[in-house]
Amino acid sequence: SQQGEEDPQALSIQEGENATMNCSYKTSINNLQWYRQNSGRGLVHLILIRSNEREKHSGRLRVTLDTSKKSSSLLITASRAADTASYFCATDIWNTDKLIFGTGTRLQVFP
Amino acid sequence: EPEVTQTPSHQVTQMGQEVILRCVPISNHLYFYWYRQILGQKVEFLVSFYNNEISEKSEIFDDQFSVERPDGSNFTLKIRSTKLEDSAMYFCASFSGPQETQYFGPGTRLLVL
Repeated sequence: SQQGEEDPQALSIQEGENATMNCSYKTSINNLQWYRQNSGRGLVHLILIRSNEREKHSGRLRVTLDTSKKSSSLLITASRAADTASYFCATDIWNTDKLIFGTGTRLQVFP
Repeated sequence: EPEVTQTPSHQVTQMGQEVILRCVPISNHLYFYWYRQILGQKVEFLVSFYNNEISEKSEIFDDQFSVERPDGSNFTLKIRSTKLEDSAMYFCASFSGPQETQYFGPGTRLLVL
């Protein structure tokens, strides 16, 4: 399988609910970054977590990283309709600075 | 807040034509990247550029592609003879140093007919 796979591929929730997206990867990383993409638009950086960090918060976002399991999760609390977008994890692999993107999770938040 | 900008936002071209996509990275950044995203697919790395030379490139980045930093602010991607399969969204990214956040531009949507 590939470096950077997210699950679920698609997620539909109601406003106010929490959304959790998971990302798995295969090789050693320097850091892992989460990005958001509205349909057909650019990539907006959300949060970066380094390989020596286990958890990070930014507003309604909480990211965890488990390097032993090679996985990360992104939690969006109290979701809003405006959170509707695709969310990608991207790994900055050791010994290179290019980002390897996952397949993405399409989040739909219904008002 | 500083941001990466890209022009044009959309480009339509005929197969076999040359296109140049332009990017203005964040001013104090030293590392520059191009990525592309074919519709409905994941974002793919094309090339990285540091200290006025290519530092890494993917297998996608063949002889039809080239990058240049013609002056202190612009960073360009040229596709010499476009193919239908080059149709994609092309993203420029920059960052200040290793293991830091990569900031992406809004993208150029290229359509090759």
